[in-house]
Amino acid sequence: DAKTTQPPSMDCAEGRAANLPCNHSTISGNEYVYWYRQIHSQGPQYIIHGLKNNETNEMASLIITEDRKSSTLILPHATLRDTAVYYCIVRDISNFGNEKLTFGTGTRLTIIP
Amino acid sequence: DGGITQSPKYLFRKEGQNVTLSCEQNLNHDAMYWYRQDPGQGLRLIYYSQIVNDFQKGDIAEGYSVSREKKESFPLTVTSAQKNPTAFYLCASSIDVWADRARVNTEAFFGQGTRLTVV
Repeated sequence: DAKTTQPPSMDCAEGRAANLPCNHSTISGNEYVYWYRQIHSQGPQYIIHGLKNNETNEMASLIITEDRKSSTLILPHATLRDTAVYYCIVRDISNFGNEKLTFGTGTRLTIIP
Repeated sequence: DGGITQSPKYLFRKEGQNVTLSCEQNLNHDAMYWYRQDPGQGLRLIYYSQIVNDFQKGDIAEGYSVSREKKESFPLTVTSAQKNPTAFYLCASSIDVWADRARVNTEAFFGQGTRLTVV
C-alpha cells in the first residue's frame, strides 16, 4: 500500500467546515483512498472511500484531485463530537494477494467551541 | 445485533505470563485483523487472516501468536517473548463489496479494544 502524509494536528471552530488534507503522491491506479476516524479509546470508524470521483455520504465529503496525488476530507458542519484522530489510507482492493490494512499516525482534529 | 466483540475491555497480567485476547464477530466476514496502539501513536498491524485456517504476520508479529480455527473467532495470544506488551489492542474484520465483477469496497469494522496492562 502507498504511503500517505497527513498533518499531525488541526483545529476547527464548531459549526465551520473542517478540511483535512492527505497527500498520497505514490498512489497507483488500483488504489482507493479510505478515511477512518478514531475517537479516544474506541475502535476506528469507517467514514468514506473513493477511487477518483468525489464522494459524499451522510458523514462527510471526499475530494480527490484529478491526478489523485492528494485528497481532502470535508466535515461540512463540525461538532464537538467530531474531535478525533482521522486516518487517511490508500489500498489496492483489487489485489487479493495482499490484504494488509495499514494505518499511519493520522491527524488529530480538535473542534473548538 | 451483528458486530465485532473484544473481551475483556481491561486486562491485567503479571510479567512473564501468556495472555489471550478474545475477538469474535458475527458479521460473516472472511478477513480479520489485530492491531496494537500505543499512547499517541497510530495503529500497527500484528497479524491478519484472510480466511479460516490461514493467517499472515503483520508489521510487528514478534512475541504474538494467533489462530483462526473458526470464521467467527481470531484470538490473539501475547506471549512472554513480547518485551513491551502493555498497550491498547484492536481487532477488526472486513467484508468485500463487489460490483461488475470487481471488488469496489472492503470496509473494516473495529471492536472497542482491550487495554492490556502488564505489571
